[in-house]
Amino acid sequence: KNEVEQSPQNLTAQEGEFITINCSYSVGISALHWLQQHPGGGIVSLFMLSSGKKKHGRLIATINIQEKHSSLHITASHPRDSAVYICAVRRAGNQFYFGTGTSLTVIP
Amino acid sequence: NAGVTQTPKFQVLKTGQSMTLQCAQDMNHEYMSWYRQDPGMGLRLIHYSVGAGITDQGEVPNGYNVSRSTTEDFPLRLLSAAPSQTSVYFCASSYSGPWNTEAFFGQGTRLTVV
Repeated sequence: KNEVEQSPQNLTAQEGEFITINCSYSVGISALHWLQQHPGGGIVSLFMLSSGKKKHGRLIATINIQEKHSSLHITASHPRDSAVYICAVRRAGNQFYFGTGTSLTVIP
Repeated sequence: NAGVTQTPKFQVLKTGQSMTLQCAQDMNHEYMSWYRQDPGMGLRLIHYSVGAGITDQGEVPNGYNVSRSTTEDFPLRLLSAAPSQTSVYFCASSYSGPWNTEAFFGQGTRLTVV
């Protein structure tokens, strides 16, 4: 069993739609990261969360520590948002667990 | 300010060959780490370093060696390449670690071992 589960695995949306990607984890964590991996392979860090909510432009990330759950929302989605979104959790002792990613395709 | 520079981008090796994947950052980051990414699996930590002269093993260290002689550089050595090491490799760094602050990634190295 993977310590980090993401859903859905694949997601196709029409341009302009509101998108939600979910991340559930089974271990106690000190922080959670959302990463974006573009089709060319490069990885970019989007958010680091330990509580509450953060917003960057059209991206919003939330975390509920008690429920061991985080969501990444994209408002007014655009084809350039097409990428794989990866959830990563950090535990004490330098341990990391990564989700397998959600592949998002936004159609014009 | 180049961020994290990882080379090469692509590499094909024969079984048994050795090679070094280079990783350099110019942000004075303490924490550097290497991951491999395989289809259907999440990123897995190979080795990491919390500062010059200090390295430690991650989840999948076998067959790999690292050193950290300077703050800037964190090379990953494949000692005797095996087909199971065919993967995409990423180097990442953060100001203080692990990932206490934003993580920065290299562009990745796609390695094929034949």
